[in-house]
Amino acid sequence: DQQVKQNSPSLSVQEGRISILNCDYTNSMFDYFLWYKKYPAEGPTFLISISSIKDKNEDGRFTVFLNKSAKHLSLHIVPSQPGDSAVYFCAASVRQGGSEKLVFGKGTKLTVNP
Amino acid sequence: NAGVMQNPRHLVRRRGQEARLRCSPMKGHSHVYWYRQLPEEGLKFMVYLQKENIIDESGMPKERFSAEFPKEGPSILRIQQVVRGDSAAYFCASSPAGRGLFFGSGTQLSVL
Repeated sequence: DQQVKQNSPSLSVQEGRISILNCDYTNSMFDYFLWYKKYPAEGPTFLISISSIKDKNEDGRFTVFLNKSAKHLSLHIVPSQPGDSAVYFCAASVRQGGSEKLVFGKGTKLTVNP
Repeated sequence: NAGVMQNPRHLVRRRGQEARLRCSPMKGHSHVYWYRQLPEEGLKFMVYLQKENIIDESGMPKERFSAEFPKEGPSILRIQQVVRGDSAAYFCASSPAGRGLFFGSGTQLSVL
């Protein structure tokens, strides 16, 4: 039972264009959503997050949109740069008994071509 | 990844041996999480610990796996009698008072 789904295993974008990474979830109890970026042989690096009380959060070139009714979130990167090439993980969270348990999608490999 | 220290980065074990993975959380963080990433998969939650307490171990396999976070020293994830299926990247994360986790660089376990 996969509660967080990233249906595109890979995405290829031209430098300067917009990258849109998508994520769907099934558990309506999730109240906090995060995007992590991961390079090979490194740990995931926190990128941006959004609370369920918001529908948009922006940080520089990165914007996360949340559509609660559709249980869908997306990460927009604009303009895309070659250094953005990495695997992007969507994660969803709910606090239970003081525990912050993140549920991750399988990731989308983004390639930004020069 | 800033501040969460994991070692070793790579660990090779033969079937039946024990694997010990260590994690020191970020300064000021007293909550430690362990996640496992199998090839072509996302990260899967294993266990959540605070100092001297296991809070949530719902993601831990029932046998051979154990975790601790003593009052002094790093958190340890121990895998006894390793099998090939244990080969994976194991990530530790720590958490501040707010939301979200900060991950270490991981330990790549290879079982021969």
